This record gives sequence, C-alpha cells and structure tokens, in this order.
Amino acid sequence: GQNIDQPTEMTATEGAIVQINCTYQTSGFNGLFWYQQHAGEAPTFLSYNVLDGLEEKGRFSSFLSRSKGYSYLLLKELQMKDSASYLCAVMDSNYQLIWGAGTKLIIKP
Amino acid sequence: DADVTQTPRNRITKTGKRIMLECSQTKGHDRMYWYRQDPGLGLRLIYYSFDVKDINKGEISDGYSVSRQAQAKFSLSLESAIPNQTALYFCATSATADYNEQFFGPGTRLTVL
Repeated sequence: GQNIDQPTEMTATEGAIVQINCTYQTSGFNGLFWYQQHAGEAPTFLSYNVLDGLEEKGRFSSFLSRSKGYSYLLLKELQMKDSASYLCAVMDSNYQLIWGAGTKLIIKP
Repeated sequence: DADVTQTPRNRITKTGKRIMLECSQTKGHDRMYWYRQDPGLGLRLIYYSFDVKDINKGEISDGYSVSRQAQAKFSLSLESAIPNQTALYFCATSATADYNEQFFGPGTRLTVL
C-alpha cells in the first residue's frame, strides 16, 4: 500500500528553527509537495521537490532524498503566524497526489 | 476575486437528505478534484475529473456522486446523507498531468445530524 508518515504535532518557540519530517512509501515517485493549512482554511502551496537536495524559499526550505523516501520542511525565524498544519503530499506513478495526515505546528512566544 | 470558489461554505442537514456542494473555478484548469478532510486523517480523494467527459472515482467514492457541468464547474452530491459524512470538503484544481500542484477552494463545512 501507499503510506506517508509525518509527526502528528510539534511545538516550537517564536524565533527558533523547526524541522518537520515526512517519510513515504508509494507506488512510484514523481515529486513531493509541502502545503500549509491554517485551521479551517484551505491548504496553500509551499514547495515542490522532484530531485534530491535542498530547495530554499525565504524562511522555508524543503529537502528531498529519493533513495531514503524522506523529505523535511525547515522553517526558520519562526513567527506566530506559522502556527498551522503542514501537509506532505507525494505524486505517485499515476501523478496522483497521496497526502499525509499533516503535522500541526504550535508556536509559543 | 478567489480563483476557486465553493458554495455553500457551511451546511447543516439531516440524515437522509440530498445535498449538493458546488465548485467553480476561473483558473482555466481542466483537472478538478473533490476531497474530504477529517481530523487526524488528512485529505482523502472522493472523485476527480480531467475534463468534462472524464470522471474518476477516488479512494472513498461510496455514498457520493459528481457532475462536471462545464470546464469551470464540478459538483459533489450526497444522495442520502449520513452522520459519518460530516467533514470539511475541499474542491481543488490543477493545470497539468506531470506537475500536480493543486489549488484549493475555501472549503465547505458539512454537518449531518
């Protein structure tokens, strides 16, 4: 079967750095997305990785290792507005998105 | 104006009632999706459509049906609602097959009593 694992919840301090991990086992791989979702709102796109390595975009970076079936999202200089759920999604061999259950990130002052 | 809109935004109904959730998009995308989201379970795909004449079941299609009235419109129906269909429903669109970045509507919160 297809499976994506993320921690259910993480807590971090304002101004700090947090890393949210995602491991996956899917039938094929055609890319990995990270989305941000504030409570009760729609998911919004953060990043896309298809090749191994680090993609940096401002305070957010995303890393991929295809051989390990592993990705992480790195958030720097945390702000209170970063309190949200972060969803990992993998495009399988049919280019369908397989979604993880999401990681709820709580930021404390 | 929002690119992907959903109506209604909130709905409370009773067991056995027929419900229709509507989705419209102005992004010009051919691909449209319906998901439900339950706490702790993430997004689960109900139905998807790659064009007006192409409708496909997702992983949890039982109890649901869809209609793709036009490129821009994709409706989800619950023929006879039951309480375990209480959830947050999202419509999404994407442009191409090989880069499936999806754009989401604001969601419909459905409660079935």
